[in-house]
Amino acid sequence: AQSVTQPDIHITVSEGASLELRCNYSYGATPYLFWYVQSPGQGLQLLLKYFSGDTLVQGIKGFEAEFKRSQSSFNLRKPSVHWSDAAEYFCAVGARTNAGKSTFGDGTTLTVKP
Amino acid sequence: EPEVTQTPSHQVTQMGQEVILRCVPISNHLYFYWYRQILGQKVEFLVSFYNNEISEKSEIFDDQFSVERPDGSNFTLKIRSTKLEDSAMYFCASSDEAGSYNEQFFGPGTRLTVL
Repeated sequence: AQSVTQPDIHITVSEGASLELRCNYSYGATPYLFWYVQSPGQGLQLLLKYFSGDTLVQGIKGFEAEFKRSQSSFNLRKPSVHWSDAAEYFCAVGARTNAGKSTFGDGTTLTVKP
Repeated sequence: EPEVTQTPSHQVTQMGQEVILRCVPISNHLYFYWYRQILGQKVEFLVSFYNNEISEKSEIFDDQFSVERPDGSNFTLKIRSTKLEDSAMYFCASSDEAGSYNEQFFGPGTRLTVL
């Protein structure tokens, strides 16, 4: 069964500082991996996704993530955080089946200090 | 830009009542999903739907739940007899092709409160 672990429940960074959110997955084959962002009271917005090929993927809002098969990780990074990045971030793994369900991690809440 | 819409944004109901949550997926999409998020918890898969039938469902999706595509535009989730633990945010999603490698577009959610 597929699963996702986000070890950090809450992270606080200063505006302008770099950010890394951790994600570890468990899946029996090469996974599909996603990062979503959720602002309070809002739906889920896809930041980026990995299916195959280049292990460093670029997303929207200046985010990137690196797939490391040996570590079963897909960490999200941003070189300089903006106050508007404060939100909940979810890592998800997608099944390579026609049902296409996604399994989400518990999420990491990002607080940005001025 | 096309988007998934959901109504209502907030539904309050009494325990034991039936509720129907409505979603309008993106118009050319063929695959539909419901997820839920209990407050403070992770987003959980409920069910996927394609070609007028359920493709996959989770253990959460028991006999109290049903889904339907009553016409060419709506996709509904019905909870037959709500329980307190059904209180959650329910997200609808759609995609244009099978497999989760295709982006699932999520709606803004319906917050269900069961009293």
